[in-house]
Formats: sequence, structure tokens, C-alpha cells
Amino acid sequence: DAEITQSPRHKITETGRQVTLACHQTWNHNNMFWYRQDLGHGLRLIHYSYGVQDTNKGEVSDGYSVSRSNTEDLPLTLESAASSQTSVYFCASSESLMGGYTFGSGTRLTVV
Amino acid sequence: DQQVKQNSPSLSVQEGRISILNCDYTNSMFDYFLWYKKYPAEGPTFLISISSIKDKNEDGRFTVFLNKSAKHLSLHIVPSQPGDSAVYFCAARTSGNTPLVFGKGTRLSVIA
Repeated sequence: DAEITQSPRHKITETGRQVTLACHQTWNHNNMFWYRQDLGHGLRLIHYSYGVQDTNKGEVSDGYSVSRSNTEDLPLTLESAASSQTSVYFCASSESLMGGYTFGSGTRLTVV
Repeated sequence: DQQVKQNSPSLSVQEGRISILNCDYTNSMFDYFLWYKKYPAEGPTFLISISSIKDKNEDGRFTVFLNKSAKHLSLHIVPSQPGDSAVYFCAARTSGNTPLVFGKGTRLSVIA
């Protein structure tokens, strides 16, 4: 069965370190998205991609970057982790821009 | 500026009764609306959607109503079941090439 997987599920890192969160989907979807979920803020868009070599900034992109070298993967990199980036991160994909998204199970990141 | 607003952080309903979750939006260009359901430690899952050309969409126990003039939509769950206890996110998009914008979510508790 097609799926979207995120790894790791949990991570603790230190302030200032570079961290990469993985997102892999086997749906062959062109559209992929990264959101973060924080209490009182809901789901906020970090970065998104509509295809290979395409990346776009979302509402809260500062301190984050993504790259899209193939259809299946959209890794999210925190260049220099900060405590404000402690959050739960969700990756999603969609077949078309008019359809719903399929979300991964999330990565809980703690920056200490 | 929050474009999608869910003003009730939480809602408690007795099993068998109706649950009504509300969502307001400010962007008049939104023309497609979705509801997602999220259990703890899982990613959001798509529940139901509605296009702006309709005012109602029904799927089993779930019905979404859209009032474009008031920029308001609601999700009705009838009858409510304990398994419906989750966080519900309202989301919206424009017809252009834009990702979903989510609200902050409403935590529904269905009490047996």
C-alpha cells in the first residue's frame, strides 16, 4: 500500500545544531508540504513543493529549508536549531491541488 | 492575520447528541473548504470537504454547511460517538496555486 512516512518520530537536539527531518511518500504525488503544529497556533505552513526542483516558502519558513531532488522525498532542514522550533512537524502530500492532503504521522522535535 | 478562525478551542458533547464545530474565514477568495480530524500521536486525516458552489455536503454522520455571505462554515456530527473525540481542523484554499490554510483546531470530547 502507498504511504507517507516521517522519520524520526521523536528527536531531541541541542540549540545551534543542524537537524534534518525526513519525509518519504510512495503515492507518486507531485505536491508535498511541511507544517508545524503548536498549541494555540494550529497547523502552520513551513515550505512546500509542487514537483522536482520546485520549492516555495510558507508562512513560517525562517530558519528552515527544503530540497526536492526526486518525487518521493522532501527533507526539512533546520539550519541552526532554536528552542522556538520545538514543535510537532507534519509532512503531507497530495495528488492534485484541488484534493485533500495525506499526512504523515509526525515528528516531535525538542530543541534543548 | 489569521485567515481561518476556529474560535472554540474545545467542545464537550454527550454521546448520541449533535456536535457542531464552527469555522470562520476572512479571505473572500477561498473557494474550497475541508475538515480534518486528528487523534493524538497521529497525523490529521481528511474528513469531508465542500466547494463554494455548494452550501451543504453530507457523508454519513458528517455534514458540512457553508454560508458564503457570512464567511462561515460548520461541521455537524450526528449522532456523536466516543470515537469522534479528537481535534478537528478547518482548512481552506483559493482556486489558485496555493496550499491549504488551517485553523487552530477545536478539541471535541464526546462523553459516554
